[in-house]
Amino acid sequence: AQSVTQLGSHVSVSEGALVLLRCNYSSSVPPYLFWYVQYPNQGLQLLLKYTSAATLVKGINGFEAEFKKSETSFHLTKPSAHMSDAAEYFCAVKESGGSYIPTFGRGTSLIVHP
Amino acid sequence: NAGVTQTPKFQVLKTGQSMTLQCAQDMNHEYMSWYRQDPGMGLRLIHYSVGAGITDQGEVPNGYNVSRSTTEDFPLRLLSAAPSQTSVYFCASRNQDRGPGELFFGEGSRLTVL
Repeated sequence: AQSVTQLGSHVSVSEGALVLLRCNYSSSVPPYLFWYVQYPNQGLQLLLKYTSAATLVKGINGFEAEFKKSETSFHLTKPSAHMSDAAEYFCAVKESGGSYIPTFGRGTSLIVHP
Repeated sequence: NAGVTQTPKFQVLKTGQSMTLQCAQDMNHEYMSWYRQDPGMGLRLIHYSVGAGITDQGEVPNGYNVSRSTTEDFPLRLLSAAPSQTSVYFCASRNQDRGPGELFFGEGSRLTVL
């Protein structure tokens, strides 16, 4: 079985500050992990994904995430927040070789203050 | 690049009315799915399909019906709308494999049931 926990339904940062969005997963087999971003009134789009090729994954718009097997985590970071980063962020897990269906976390709303 | 197209974008229904949310994709994806998004609940899977003629239930299927007669189209039917079905609905598709392929989302259909 697979599951995802996103800590914090809302995260507030100042423009220029570090962004850290937390994601912990549970999977009975090696997972594929994803971060999606949803801008206001839009659908979700892929930010980055982990496929076991490298533990540090770089995505679009300066975001990156590190897969830590010992901590079952896949936290999303960005060194310096921009106003345009304000959005909803979803972490998702899919078991490699398993179900076709990913499991999504409940999402974290990133608020960026000027 | 059309990707995943959903219609209508907005709809207001009265309790008991029926309607169909349309979803079409032009990427030849075998896997298609419907999610609903509610505040604090994240994305919940309603129904999914792994190919034409094949559908299955997700986490919250009650009150919804689907069919898959072609690879491109996956309509979602509400047979007798209820206020609890007020939500934002997303259609998503991906390649039919057990690998790390990501989901491609439509822009959403916002439904209000009075």
